[in-house]
Amino acid sequence: AQSVTQLDSQVPVFEEAPVELRCNYSSSVSVYLFWYVQYPNQGLQLLLKYLSGSTLVKGINGFEAEFNKSQTSFHLRKPSVHISDTAEYFCAVSDGSGGSNYKLTFGKGTLLTVNP
Amino acid sequence: GAVVSQHPSRVICKSGTSVKIECRSLDFQATTMFWYRQFPKQSLMLMATSNEGSKATYEQGVEKDKFLINHASLTLSTLTVTSAHPEDSSFYICSARVIGGNYGYTFGSGTRLTVV
Repeated sequence: AQSVTQLDSQVPVFEEAPVELRCNYSSSVSVYLFWYVQYPNQGLQLLLKYLSGSTLVKGINGFEAEFNKSQTSFHLRKPSVHISDTAEYFCAVSDGSGGSNYKLTFGKGTLLTVNP
Repeated sequence: GAVVSQHPSRVICKSGTSVKIECRSLDFQATTMFWYRQFPKQSLMLMATSNEGSKATYEQGVEKDKFLINHASLTLSTLTVTSAHPEDSSFYICSARVIGGNYGYTFGSGTRLTVV
């Protein structure tokens, strides 16, 4: 079985500051990793994903994440945040070999609040 | 590409009635759809996985007779909440697995169900 731990439930930062949202996963098989953003009363929007290849993944809106297999982590970073980045962020993992019918397992989410 | 359209976005119904939520894949064929429920300030809880042309697989604790899922075509999956009660009020989100070059999971915009 796979699981995802988002270590911070809330992260407050000031505008233009850097931010890192932490995500650790556990899985006995190869994994695909995803970060999604959710604005209030909306669905999830994909920020970036890791399927294979380069461990540094660049996504939309200036976000990037690094897959670290030895530390089983997939932390999300942005060098300079904007007020508009205020949202809930979810890390998710799926079985890369297709087990569990390709289900996505989500972390509990991190609320990023960007203050002026 | 890979857009899922979910309707309605909001619905208010009376206790005891049934409500149908539709998710359509607009520009791809969705062989696998997932249905989630999200409580306020919480993560997504997987309710069931549906594969086109076969019965849905429900997660433990989800009442299959209350939450009817139909995935009769490669572009349409529906969730019907039968005999709705106030405790069924929630945010429901569908997701489709996208295969091929743009592999990943795309989400509908969600349905806010309020049962009065």
